[in-house]
Amino acid sequence: EAGVTQFPSHSVIEKGQTVTLRCDPISGHDNLYWYRRVMGKEIKFLLHFVKESKQDESGMPNNRFLAERTGGTYSTLKVQPAELEDSGVYFCASNHQGAGYEQYFGPGTRLTVT
Amino acid sequence: GQNIDQPTEMTATEGAIVQINCTYQTSGFNGLFWYQQHAGEAPTFLSYNVLDGLEEKGRFSSFLSRSKGYSYLLLKELQMKDSASYLCAVRDRAGNNRKLIWGLGTSLAVNP
Repeated sequence: EAGVTQFPSHSVIEKGQTVTLRCDPISGHDNLYWYRRVMGKEIKFLLHFVKESKQDESGMPNNRFLAERTGGTYSTLKVQPAELEDSGVYFCASNHQGAGYEQYFGPGTRLTVT
Repeated sequence: GQNIDQPTEMTATEGAIVQINCTYQTSGFNGLFWYQQHAGEAPTFLSYNVLDGLEEKGRFSSFLSRSKGYSYLLLKELQMKDSASYLCAVRDRAGNNRKLIWGLGTSLAVNP
């Protein structure tokens, strides 16, 4: 079974540009989560999808961040326009709805905004 | 507020036992998780405790005391490959809310 995959692995962009991160969860997983880790800080929750619906987006920093999961499969997280403080590692995780508690993580996308 | 504390760094010797502590203060509690993360890789699940007591899984065990807001991860027969960051995380609500609140992680170095 393929694990959670994320693309790209690294992205370096200039302040003011737009970046779109992609996450492909494990096939069949209804729950999809986005997290972010800023250097020196703890991993922080951004949002949670159940299929294509946003269950909880309380962790989204501001309206420059837009997450979508059309069709309930892969998800994208767009940052527009990017700011310096958006730099960090963005993790995606997935698991089955109601089938347990373990979240399976992807390797993350390291975003650097210069 | 929500707060999870764990030591920043620990060092141990190959073959030894190490205990990594985690204390938490959260608005609610619905389970505590331990994840392992090697540099540049995805966090991987180690253990889950929701009731008080010890959960054992091979060389790794995890303990929880809800009344004290305390957990520890015990690693036995340490191997060099156990050098990694160990992350404590709490789920503060039940039901469909699945978000995790994380500690900063404990960087463990296993020396020969």
